[in-house]
Amino acid sequence: GENVEQHPSTLSVQEGDSAVIKCTYSDSASNYFPWYKQELGKGPQLIIDIRSNVGEKKDQRIAVTLNKTAKHFSLHITETQPEDSAVYFCAASRGTGNQFYFGTGTSLTVIP
Amino acid sequence: GAGVSQSPSNKVTEKGKDVELRCDPISGHTALYWYRQSLGQGLEFLIYFQGNSAPDKSGLPSDRFSAERTGGSVSTLTIQRTQQEDSAVYLCASSKDRGRGNEQFFGPGTRLTVL
Repeated sequence: GENVEQHPSTLSVQEGDSAVIKCTYSDSASNYFPWYKQELGKGPQLIIDIRSNVGEKKDQRIAVTLNKTAKHFSLHITETQPEDSAVYFCAASRGTGNQFYFGTGTSLTVIP
Repeated sequence: GAGVSQSPSNKVTEKGKDVELRCDPISGHTALYWYRQSLGQGLEFLIYFQGNSAPDKSGLPSDRFSAERTGGSVSTLTIQRTQQEDSAVYLCASSKDRGRGNEQFFGPGTRLTVL
């Protein structure tokens, strides 16, 4: 089955700096890679996703890159703000008819 | 509109007791998932329901765990003879179907504590 590894487990950045979270996956058949943000006491919420036919996707201050050859994908948050503080999860899936495999999460703290 | 709701939000039980956790998915969503999130861990897949198909139970950790989905809507996760290692947050999610790229919408979770 798929194995998703996520690093770092904790990350602290100064407000305004960038944050990068990296994930690797093992199943070359995985083709869908969502990122979720989980705030304290709430369920995870999708913030951005990328499919295997795309190398990069951006949405305002958030971007995700995918390297299929190396089997890794990354989340980039620029101009971080205190409200970006949360736990972020990456996931990988083969798509239709298959489950999501989640990373172990990264606790991001943005210091004002 | 209403999102995924779960009840109770917190449950404290004694070792050996049975517990039932409830999930109300978003109306019209045919796929429903249960996950377990232990402290400092990622999301562990437990079980998945899709329409009238047989559920995918491949993630259930033991036969003490079971789940039902009545009428293709509300789901109940039951843990029998609870153990301390069952303590975790149990998350439910729903999506329109299990197709590629369909977003899973998560509920707030039920925090289970087994004393």
